[in-house]
Amino acid sequence: KQEVTQIPAALSVPEGENLVLNCSFTDSAIYNLQWFRQDPGKGLTSLLLIQSSQREQTSGRLNASLDKSSGRSTLYIAASQPGDSATYLCAVRQGDTDKLIFGTGTRLQVFP
Amino acid sequence: NAGVTQTPKFRILKIGQSMTLQCTQDMNHNYMYWYRQDPGMGLKLIYYSVGAGITDKGEVPNGYNVSRSTTEDFPLRLELAAPSQTSVYFCASSYAGGANYGYTFGSGTRLTVV
Repeated sequence: KQEVTQIPAALSVPEGENLVLNCSFTDSAIYNLQWFRQDPGKGLTSLLLIQSSQREQTSGRLNASLDKSSGRSTLYIAASQPGDSATYLCAVRQGDTDKLIFGTGTRLQVFP
Repeated sequence: NAGVTQTPKFRILKIGQSMTLQCTQDMNHNYMYWYRQDPGMGLKLIYYSVGAGITDKGEVPNGYNVSRSTTEDFPLRLELAAPSQTSVYFCASSYAGGANYGYTFGSGTRLTVV
């Protein structure tokens, strides 16, 4: 059974720092991996989608990498800002069931 | 485009009452999903559908029912509400299966059963 783990569970950093959020998964037979952002009391906003054949995707200050063989993905946020404060979720789309399996998220706080 | 629209945004139910959570998407997505999110527990799949007339159970289907009569709509029915169904419910859609497509989520329905 696929298990998705995100470390750390919470992170507090000063504005301007570059930071890395980690996601690991136990079954490498995935179609893709998606990173989401969730603000308190809100829905999920898709940030980046990495297909299983890809190594990384970039959008603005965000860069996500995927190492399928080792079951790892990282989300790199450059020059963090207070507006980046949110919970970040990673999810893998399973290759056998085609379902999305979520990690429990990293709660990020960026303080001025 | 509106994307995935969920109604209502908030609802309080009494134990034993029933209700329908509405979900509609205007992206012509074939696949639709219902998740629930409990604090600190991540998102769990309740039901999903790969097309009109086709539905299937996810991880936590007990106490819920769905239907998919059109491509756009995927309502979730709660029968005989219980306190354990207090949660935030998210509807999502995807154009199709496979590697090329991601999920789009609605803004959620926060349900409290008292």
